[in-house]
Amino acid sequence: DAGVIQSPRHEVTEMGQEVTLRCKPISGHNSLFWYRQTMMRGLELLIYFNNNVPIDDSGMPEDRFSAKMPNASFSTLKIQPSEPRDSAVYFCASSFSGTSGLTYEQYFGPGTRLTVT
Amino acid sequence: AQSVAQPEDQVNVAEGNPLTVKCTYSVSGNPYLFWYVQYPNRGLQFLLKYITGDNLVKGSYGFEAEFNKSQTSFHLKKPSALVSDSALYFCAVRVGSSNTGKLIFGQGTTLQVKP
Repeated sequence: DAGVIQSPRHEVTEMGQEVTLRCKPISGHNSLFWYRQTMMRGLELLIYFNNNVPIDDSGMPEDRFSAKMPNASFSTLKIQPSEPRDSAVYFCASSFSGTSGLTYEQYFGPGTRLTVT
Repeated sequence: AQSVAQPEDQVNVAEGNPLTVKCTYSVSGNPYLFWYVQYPNRGLQFLLKYITGDNLVKGSYGFEAEFNKSQTSFHLKKPSALVSDSALYFCAVRVGSSNTGKLIFGQGTTLQVKP
């Protein structure tokens, strides 16, 4: 398996521009997570989906951030308009979650390093 | 409130010596605990987890972790450190129901292994 795939790996954009980050989870996984990592705040959970449905978006910083998961193999995180304080590494992770009570680990993608100037 | 704490920002150890990276947690109900490692410019990699059973859990790359319910701790250990173990280590705990798998992470501990 190719693992979690994220694109682009690096993104440099100007303040005010729209940014779209993409994620392809591991096939068969039904939970998907978007994280942001910065030196100041560490690793923060932004939003997560279960079976393509957003379960908890309480970590989304503000209305400029939105995420979608139109199908089981694709998700996007969009920032519009972007600001310099959005500069961070954004990770996507996926896992399998079921009703059996078993807890499975999350697998992380390589991340997208976003720089907003 | 449910939380996980890593009390040390950095741990320094000489190659060949045993290492310990500390983690404490606070959750309601049974804890499900994880350790991850992050190498520079990479995503987090799963090392090991405790769900139930034996308090000593063995994972990847020779790492193990000891679950201690009375001390609410889940310290990561390795008998003999390697320079290549130098990385950022995260402890995490599952919150919410098992069918969603949400984790909260500690702030991370940088492990520096010197030759």
